[in-house]
Amino acid sequence: GENVEQHPSTLSVQEGDSAVIKCTYSDSASNYFPWYKQELGKRPQLIIDIRSNVGEKKDQRIAVTLNKTAKHFSLHITETQPEDSAVYFCASALSQFYFGTGTSLTVIP
Amino acid sequence: DTGVSQNPRHKITKRGQNVTFRCDPISEHNRLYWYRQTLGQGPEFLTYFQNEAQLEKSRLLSDRFSAERPKGSFSTLEIQRTEQGDSAMYLCASSFGPAGPTAFFGQGTRLTVV
Repeated sequence: GENVEQHPSTLSVQEGDSAVIKCTYSDSASNYFPWYKQELGKRPQLIIDIRSNVGEKKDQRIAVTLNKTAKHFSLHITETQPEDSAVYFCASALSQFYFGTGTSLTVIP
Repeated sequence: DTGVSQNPRHKITKRGQNVTFRCDPISEHNRLYWYRQTLGQGPEFLTYFQNEAQLEKSRLLSDRFSAERPKGSFSTLEIQRTEQGDSAMYLCASSFGPAGPTAFFGQGTRLTVV
């Protein structure tokens, strides 16, 4: 089955700096790559997604890039704010979703 | 609340007992997924349905686990003869169509086996 690796496992940044989280996947047939944000005790919430026919997608301070050849995709958060602090999960999907192990992001005011 | 709904939110059970969880997906969603999440880990795939058909089940899933979606609407996940290792958050998600359209998660059922 699909194997999704996510790095780093923890990330601390100063408020206003950028944060980058990277994921790799193994199944070249995967065609959809969502990112979820999960705050403590809450459900995962979709923050951005990208399909395999697109290389980059941006939504305000959040962007995702996809390199199909290398089978990796990344989440970029610019101008980070304390409320961005959470655990972020990447996922790859074909018929169902496989998740990475998560990145705990802390934004230091 | 028109999102994915899961009940109960919390369940404490004694080892060896059976438990059943319920998930009500977003009404027009035909796909329903079950995941298990332990502390510090990402959601782990258990099984998914398209309408009432169970299309895939994780090879890691013990025979003690069974899921149903009898009318293609709500789903139940049953764990028989619970073990302490079953303690986790059980998450349900739904989507319209195959993976690609967004999957929305419920708030989960936290199971504690004592």
